Amino acid sequence: DIVMAQSPDSLAVSLGERAAINCKSSQSVLYSSDNKNYLAWFQQRPGQPPKLLISWASTRESGVPDRFSGSGSGTDFTLTINSLQPEDVAVYYCQQYYRAPVTFGQGTKLEI
Amino acid sequence: EVHLVESGGGLVQPGGSLRLSCEVSGFIFGRFDMSWVRQAPGKGLEWVSGISADAGSKYYAESVKGRFTISRDNSKSTVFLQMKSLKVEDTARYYCARDLGMNTFGGQGTLVIVSS
Repeated sequence: DIVMAQSPDSLAVSLGERAAINCKSSQSVLYSSDNKNYLAWFQQRPGQPPKLLISWASTRESGVPDRFSGSGSGTDFTLTINSLQPEDVAVYYCQQYYRAPVTFGQGTKLEI
Repeated sequence: EVHLVESGGGLVQPGGSLRLSCEVSGFIFGRFDMSWVRQAPGKGLEWVSGISADAGSKYYAESVKGRFTISRDNSKSTVFLQMKSLKVEDTARYYCARDLGMNTFGGQGTLVIVSS
């Protein structure tokens, strides 16, 4: 199975500042035939189901604020949240869907 | 709007069985792969199982392989998870989700508690 490792496990950032969460996969999730990274980012607020933020490593889902951005390729990825807002307090997960079984990172708890 | 309603959870003894259901609306069910994802209390997300749109391919996490079976009924827009030989460590909230990865979630999940 592909192992996903996130860092840090938790992060405290001031309102209006930038947060960066890293995700590393145990093997590349870049599919050579379509040049796409099979990597997604999710947000889970307390008491809520997860919400898909970003797919294909950097494609923001409809309705997701543009302060959220994804970057990286191969095995190393980053979720960046600019100008942190109170509603961004959540746990963030990366996920690889390059190969079954699909696997998630352990999560990063973001606090103000 | 994607709408998924999970049901079938409850309290079960170790070694017991449960069958979870997820009824879907808001998209053409028969065109999409589906997954089950679980979350133990206070823990992270774990993808459990997935099934292709035509039910021709099924996938399982190592932790449930041989004990859980995923299936679907496209005529009823419903996906199922049959769970057998349940263990204490299977205690979790179980969510169904659209697609094998980059999932869309739409329900609050159903809670499974395995305890004697």
